[in-house]
Amino acid sequence: DAGITQSPRHKVTETGTPVTLRCHQTENHRYMYWYRQDPGHGLRLIHYSYGVKDTDKGEVSDGYSVSRSKTEDFLLTLESATSSQTSVYFCAILGQGATEAFFGQGTRLTVV
Amino acid sequence: AQKITQTQPGMFVQEKEAVTLDCTYDTSDQSYGLFWYKQPSSGEMIFLIYQGSYDEQNATEGRYSLNFQKARKSANLVISASQLGDSAMYFCAMREGRGGGFKTIFGAGTRLFVKA
Repeated sequence: DAGITQSPRHKVTETGTPVTLRCHQTENHRYMYWYRQDPGHGLRLIHYSYGVKDTDKGEVSDGYSVSRSKTEDFLLTLESATSSQTSVYFCAILGQGATEAFFGQGTRLTVV
Repeated sequence: AQKITQTQPGMFVQEKEAVTLDCTYDTSDQSYGLFWYKQPSSGEMIFLIYQGSYDEQNATEGRYSLNFQKARKSANLVISASQLGDSAMYFCAMREGRGGGFKTIFGAGTRLFVKA
């Protein structure tokens, strides 16, 4: 157990509202990732972080921002939610030695 | 650009037989890692196996082995003696080196169905 938790686990929100998803880890790992999972697309990288305040864009970063003000928390914000952002969001951390990634339980987000 | 391709949307295998799930990748990094994950219908992501780009031997973990062909840029997963519980989605992933911030991307996945 890599001590990674996501919150909330489920959320329904309205189009145009901002939404923040939280990923929390207890193991002090440096590298953290946010993915979205959609049928037919697998997991697509949204943003990732390689340290406090160090983040970079992934494959599908438009409409999303992230922040990492402390090692244990990586926040994903949908600045103005759209229906196309309805998805399952996974947070992951890269373990010691970078030979395994541990995943959170996922957040199911529905934008109506 | 970093890219992962899984060309088999779905695969069927008879119980107790072996099955190969294909994965090809593209990267300009010399140092990278390749992973396979299983996602059962419950939704969690389960790590199966890892292969480093400098590893000379193919990785094995129990019934899972990774057929790493560096020149062909392929990293196929072989599951021996399939079990009904192996029915799931399988994802191949690639991690770039430290210079790329260990950016990690996934393929679209292959859904495996094991028949009794």
